[in-house]
Amino acid sequence: SAVISQKPSRDICQRGTSLTIQCQVDSQVTMMFWYRQQPGQSLTLIATANQGSEATYESGFVIDKFPISRPNLTFSTLTVSNMSPEDSSIYLCSAGLAGPTDTQYFGPGTRLTVL
Amino acid sequence: EDQVTQSPEALRLQEGESSSLNCSYTVSGLRGLFWYRQDPGKGPEFLFTLYSAGEEKEKERLKATLTKKESFLHITAPKPEDSATYLCAVQAGNMLTFGGGTRLMVKP
Repeated sequence: SAVISQKPSRDICQRGTSLTIQCQVDSQVTMMFWYRQQPGQSLTLIATANQGSEATYESGFVIDKFPISRPNLTFSTLTVSNMSPEDSSIYLCSAGLAGPTDTQYFGPGTRLTVL
Repeated sequence: EDQVTQSPEALRLQEGESSSLNCSYTVSGLRGLFWYRQDPGKGPEFLFTLYSAGEEKEKERLKATLTKKESFLHITAPKPEDSATYLCAVQAGNMLTFGGGTRLMVKP
C-alpha cells in the first residue's frame, strides 16, 4: 500500500486568487491522479499527473485552470487558478501502484471554500 | 463511455441487520472493480479489488462479489462503526470511474 499526505487540509480563499495543493507519497509510484469531489457527490477525475511530462486532463478540465506539476515519483502539486465559488470542493490526490493489483490509494483530501 | 451506478443511494439498517449494496457497471475492457469506504471529511479507504466474474473477497463483516454486469457488497451483522459511504469504481486503462456511492447508516 501507499501512505499519502496532502497540504493544506483545508483553506478558505477569495475569488480570483489561486491555491496550490501539495501531495506527497511515502514511496515511489508510477501513477498519480487528481480528483474533485463536490459536496454530496462522488469523485471526478481531473487529470493524471505524469512524471517528466505534461499532465493528461479529462474532458471539462484544462491546464490553464488546473496546472499540475510532478517533478519526481513521490510528489505532485495541483493549482486551482482564478478561483470562483464554483471551485469549492474537496480535492483528492491518489497514487496507483503498478502491477497485478493496480490499486489507487487516496490522500485525506483538501477542502477548499471560495468566497 | 464507462458507467457505474450504485444503489441504493442511502441505506438505513439496525445493528445486526444484514443487507447488500449494488454496483452495476458498463465498461469496455474491465481491468478491475474496486470498493472503497469513505468517512465524512476523509479520503476513500481501499477495501477490495475484484478482477473476474465469480470472484469473491471478504474482510471482517464485508464480502464483495462480482458478475459480468454488477458487483455486490454484502454486509453481515453490521455495527454502527460500519456507517460510511461505500464507493464502487471500475478501471479500464489506468483511470477509475466512480459510482455515486451508497451512504450507509447503522443504528444501534
